[in-house]
Amino acid sequence: NAGVTQTPKFRILKIGQSMTLQCTQDMNHNYMYWYRQDPGMGLKLIYYSVGAGITDKGEVPNGYNVSRSTTEDFPLRLELAAPSQTSVYFCASRHRSGPAGELFFGEGSRLTVL
Amino acid sequence: GQNIDQPTEMTATEGAIVQINCTYQTSGFNGLFWYQQHAGEAPTFLSYNVLDGLEEKGRFSSFLSRSKGYSYLLLKELQMKDSASYLCAVTPPGDSSYKLIFGSGTRLLVRP
Repeated sequence: NAGVTQTPKFRILKIGQSMTLQCTQDMNHNYMYWYRQDPGMGLKLIYYSVGAGITDKGEVPNGYNVSRSTTEDFPLRLELAAPSQTSVYFCASRHRSGPAGELFFGEGSRLTVL
Repeated sequence: GQNIDQPTEMTATEGAIVQINCTYQTSGFNGLFWYQQHAGEAPTFLSYNVLDGLEEKGRFSSFLSRSKGYSYLLLKELQMKDSASYLCAVTPPGDSSYKLIFGSGTRLLVRP
């Protein structure tokens, strides 16, 4: 019963490098989300998707890109990494078509940009 | 837009009751969630309120007043394991209802 799986769990990047954070879910959820959480802070929505082929910006999309080619996968791409992107990134999914569905989170990916 | 306010930190004693408040200024919302997050872990769902009133679930209860833009999470019979951050989140209305927007969270420390 895997739920939401994120890889990698930890990564150190140099300024200007690029990378992709992987996220996959096996619950057949339509809705998927990427959040970032800075130390001592709440979660900020980066991008979200309501189904395969459909993505939209959240609160803090600059510096990131996403794609949703399948229901299961929702990778987050960081282009030209900057120190401001040092954070913990959480992928999440939900099932209910209305607003009441709870989010299921992955374990998080801790990214440091030096 | 949404502006969600929570106290940054709270301290309480084991066995006591604590109330964590959440106030929000939004143009409308569909519902309000509470999540618990232990240090170094992912958030986990606690409760969801869409109607005014109190929702009780074991030691945890959540209250919502739409007219006052106010919610609280009530934790009874506090245990050491309740030391965590508690995040309030709202779902905006209309086409944005797919989103879940979080407040900054309240760090609760439970002392013996």
